[in-house]
Amino acid sequence: AQSVAQPEDQVNVAEGNPLTVKCTYSVSGNPYLFWYVQYPNRGLQFLLKYITGDNLVKGSYGFEAEFNKSQTSFHLKKPSALVSDSALYFCAVMITGGGNKLTFGTGTQLKVEL
Amino acid sequence: DGGITQSPKYLFRKEGQNVTLSCEQNLNHDAMYWYRQDPGQGLRLIYYSQIVNDFQKGDIAEGYSVSREKKESFPLTVTSAQKNPTAFYLCASGSRQGRGYTFGSGTRLTVV
Repeated sequence: AQSVAQPEDQVNVAEGNPLTVKCTYSVSGNPYLFWYVQYPNRGLQFLLKYITGDNLVKGSYGFEAEFNKSQTSFHLKKPSALVSDSALYFCAVMITGGGNKLTFGTGTQLKVEL
Repeated sequence: DGGITQSPKYLFRKEGQNVTLSCEQNLNHDAMYWYRQDPGQGLRLIYYSQIVNDFQKGDIAEGYSVSREKKESFPLTVTSAQKNPTAFYLCASGSRQGRGYTFGSGTRLTVV
């Protein structure tokens, strides 16, 4: 069975500082990895994905993520945080076949303060 | 514009009632999914459908039912058998493997 862990319920960072939101995964096989963002009372918006190729993936709004196979991690990063980045972030994993189901982590609340 | 529409945005249900949540997409996606979101638990898969007239149970299907009579539509019924239905429900659709999902804006269901 596939699973995703987001070890931090909340991450606080000052505006202008770099941010990291952690994600580790467990799958048998090659994973497809995703990050989504959710604003209050809204659906999830796609940020970026890793399918294959370069381990550093660049996405929307200046976010990027690094796939690390040996550590089974896919941490989300941004060099300089904005207050508007404050939201709930979800990491997700998909494996080949089986209905293309996405399995989500429990989410990390990012709070960016002035 | 292509997208996925959920309605209503807010729904109130009395104890013992069945309610149906609507999900419609015009993205021509084959697959559709229903997730339930509770604080601190992330998203949990209720049902999914890869093609018309076929659907499979997800991780928490008990107390829910779905249908997929048209490619564009995947309604979810929350039955009286669901003991704790108060939650935020998200519908999603997807095309080819690896492309991820497009999500609707959600329906917040509250039992009164």
